[in-house]
Amino acid sequence: AQSVTQLGSHVSVSEGALVLLRCNYSSSVPPYLFWYVQYPNQGLQLLLKYTTGATLVKGINGFEAEFKKSETSFHLTKPSAHMSDAAEYFCAVTRSGTYKYIFGTGTRLKVLA
Amino acid sequence: DAGVTQSPTHLIKTRGQQVTLRCSPKSGHDTVSWYQQALGQGPQFIFQYYEEEERQRGNFPDRFSGHQYPNYSSELNVNALLLGDSALYLCASSQGSGVAYEQYFGPGTRLTVT
Repeated sequence: AQSVTQLGSHVSVSEGALVLLRCNYSSSVPPYLFWYVQYPNQGLQLLLKYTTGATLVKGINGFEAEFKKSETSFHLTKPSAHMSDAAEYFCAVTRSGTYKYIFGTGTRLKVLA
Repeated sequence: DAGVTQSPTHLIKTRGQQVTLRCSPKSGHDTVSWYQQALGQGPQFIFQYYEEEERQRGNFPDRFSGHQYPNYSSELNVNALLLGDSALYLCASSQGSGVAYEQYFGPGTRLTVT
């Protein structure tokens, strides 16, 4: 079975500081990994995804994530936080042969002025 | 190009009642998935519809059922509502069944059961 763990339900960073949101997954087969962002009263928007190939994935709004198989991690980073990055972020996993996405419980990012 | 739309935006129902939520997929998409997002939780997969049939189902009871129409729009029906069904219901659309297809999410329907 697949699962996702997001460490830290709430993360606060200062504007301009590094953003690091942690995601660890469990999967017995090669995973497909995703990061989504959810702004208040809105649906989820895809930030980036990893399927195969390059392990460093670049997404929208300056975010990137690195797939580390040895650590079963897919952490999301952004070099410099902006006030507009304040939102809830979800990591998700799926695999070939299923249509089901497994989401983590989310990390709420707060950006301090 | 309209994205995924859902209706209604908010809904209040009483325990035991039935509810129908609606979703119109993004233009060009033929697959619709439904998710339940309880407060403070991540979305949980309910089921996915493709070619008017339920293709895969998550761990939800039979009280949750759905339908997909020839124009790819979809409905989620929940019978015998329980307080625990209160949640944000998200619809996501995608195209076909390609590897790691990208899902586009609608804004959701907030269901409150009293």
